[in-house]
Amino acid sequence: QKEVEQNSGPLSVPEGAIASLNCTYSDRGSQSFFWYRQYSGKSPELIMFIYSNGDKEDGRFTAQLNKASQYVSLLIRDSQPSDSATYLCAPEGGKLIFGQGTELSVKP
Amino acid sequence: NAGVTQTPKFQVLKTGQSMTLQCAQDMNHNSMYWYRQDPGMGLRLIYYSASEGTTDKGEVPNGYNVSRLNKREFSLRLESAAPSQTSVYFCASSPSGQGFNSPLHFGNGTRLTVT
Repeated sequence: QKEVEQNSGPLSVPEGAIASLNCTYSDRGSQSFFWYRQYSGKSPELIMFIYSNGDKEDGRFTAQLNKASQYVSLLIRDSQPSDSATYLCAPEGGKLIFGQGTELSVKP
Repeated sequence: NAGVTQTPKFQVLKTGQSMTLQCAQDMNHNSMYWYRQDPGMGLRLIYYSASEGTTDKGEVPNGYNVSRLNKREFSLRLESAAPSQTSVYFCASSPSGQGFNSPLHFGNGTRLTVT
């Protein structure tokens, strides 16, 4: 089992819909997580950080963390074509491992 | 602010040639990293430097060496390039290696092809 797993996608959603991106992890010691967005041909950029169980909202983005289930997710409300990118999940610190990323495509 | 600067942006090497990828950050960060990204494999850590004067192996260090020249600069060297090292290489930095203040700031990447 990989330490951080994401569905590779592509995940396709219509414009205006909610996109749900999921990440599971095996290290119970992981306490907090980053979500990065990577546009095609570009470098990853940080979009969210979550460290406590529950939800964290930032504009159209909501990160959810469930430490008991070892699961972290990213919801994008009112998806826009500009949200089309690959989304990477990464536990903070530790072995500095990233998930393989989920490719999101938002269709107009 | 330049952030993290990588050079070169593109490089083509022949098998057996050597080269050094350069990385510099101007954010006064303590920690620096080198990742490679291959299709379907995500980002894999090659080496990192938690602070000036220290370096450690990551997940895929074979065939690479690094030098933390000073707090700003962290270089990656391929001594004898192989086709398996064809990849996109990202340098990154963070204020520290742990804790809330440790998000990675990435450079624009180097696209390396080894023929």
